[in-house]
Amino acid sequence: EVQLVESGGGLVQPGRSLRLSCTASGFTFADYTMSWVRQAPGKGLEWVGFVRSEPYGGTTEYAASVKGRFTISRDNSKSVAYLQMNSLKTEDTAVYYCTRDGGRGFDSWGQGALVTVSS
Amino acid sequence: DIVMTQSPDSLAVSLGERATINCKSSQSVLYSSNNKNYLAWYQQKPGQPPKLLIYWASARDSGVPDRFSGSGSGTDFTLTISSLQAEDVAVYYCQQYSTILRTFGQGTKVEIK
Repeated sequence: EVQLVESGGGLVQPGRSLRLSCTASGFTFADYTMSWVRQAPGKGLEWVGFVRSEPYGGTTEYAASVKGRFTISRDNSKSVAYLQMNSLKTEDTAVYYCTRDGGRGFDSWGQGALVTVSS
Repeated sequence: DIVMTQSPDSLAVSLGERATINCKSSQSVLYSSNNKNYLAWYQQKPGQPPKLLIYWASARDSGVPDRFSGSGSGTDFTLTISSLQAEDVAVYYCQQYSTILRTFGQGTKVEIK
């Protein structure tokens, strides 16, 4: 069974940093692109970015709203994906979901990690 | 970026009746090389993460009841719930994965009339 578990969420002040982790199990992690998707309170879904699978070089892509501030990485030896968030803004407040980007949409989702950016 | 627009924003349907949600993309998500539409549908129930229902515009994911069906091609797509059940109350999203920058529709809330 595919499982994705996010951790590292919490309350952070504007301008500060936070790192989320996504621990995967139940599949060959290195073979899959991993995406992060966020959802602001009461709002819709927004794709944040992804890190490609190992066969595709593990390169990254980002939404314009986070490019230059957020960095996605992966450690295939640990089956973990990371979302490093710097220079956080109040509008980054959201539940952040780790997803498996299986080439046919996001076919597995974690339960999400709440990030609240507030002074 | 490809903009995805869903209609309506919400709808109320009686139990056992049909629910239809539309999704329009600002440019085609059909790849002529493989004749596949890079379009997915998700269901999100309150307090839960989204769940993949449909991919390639019309393929049901494993375990999804056959009352859910997807159709359409190019820029116009439809999700149909043939006979609404109480457990189908949720927000439904379409999403394109034809470009690097994945985008979602704004969501359609389905309720019981």
